[in-house]
Amino acid sequence: EVQLLESGGGLVQPGGSLRLSCAASGFTFSRYAMGWVRQTPGEGLEWVSGISGGGDSTYYADSVKGRFTISRDNPKNTLYLEMNSLRAEDTAVYYCAKDLLYTPSITFDHWGQGTLVTVSS
Amino acid sequence: QSALTQPRSVSGSPGQSVTISCTGTSSDVGGYVYVSWYQQHPGKAPILIIYEVNKRPSGVPDRFSGSKSGNTASLTVSGLQAEDEADYYCSSYAGGNNLGVFGTGTKVTVL
Repeated sequence: EVQLLESGGGLVQPGGSLRLSCAASGFTFSRYAMGWVRQTPGEGLEWVSGISGGGDSTYYADSVKGRFTISRDNPKNTLYLEMNSLRAEDTAVYYCAKDLLYTPSITFDHWGQGTLVTVSS
Repeated sequence: QSALTQPRSVSGSPGQSVTISCTGTSSDVGGYVYVSWYQQHPGKAPILIIYEVNKRPSGVPDRFSGSKSGNTASLTVSGLQAEDEADYYCSSYAGGNNLGVFGTGTKVTVL
């Protein structure tokens, strides 16, 4: 059974940093691209970032480019999202999601339960 | 990358069919086969119900079907059931570095 478990969310001040982790199990982690998707409370979904199975290709939404960094540790079956220079508009539930393919296709067949990031002073 | 356009809400009685549209551009929906649909119940993570325009993952009822014409994709829910009441989102691959885009979301109400 595929399981994705996010951690690392919490309250942070504007301009601060946070690192999210996503522990994966139940599938061969290195064979699939992974992504982060966020959802502002009561609002819609927003694709944030994606990474290929091998970790050599990364992609970002314009809204986070230059501030967020996606990475993965395949031997540890873990996905990360390093978030810097956080803004109030980054407040959201962040989901880790498994892609259907090795190269990101924005087709997410499994999702974690989400972790809430709140940016506020 | 602008969000794909979906109707804010649709409704139908049990047993009826409803169709949700998802309008993008030739740079996303119209340009790629990687168009997906997700169902999200309140407080829960999204669930993939349609991928690559019209394919259903294992376990998804065949009441759910997808199609695409030009820059607009559509999700049809036939034989509407009470448990189909949820939010539905489309998504599309968009190429380049800004790789993905989601729709604005549609709330389906079962009357």
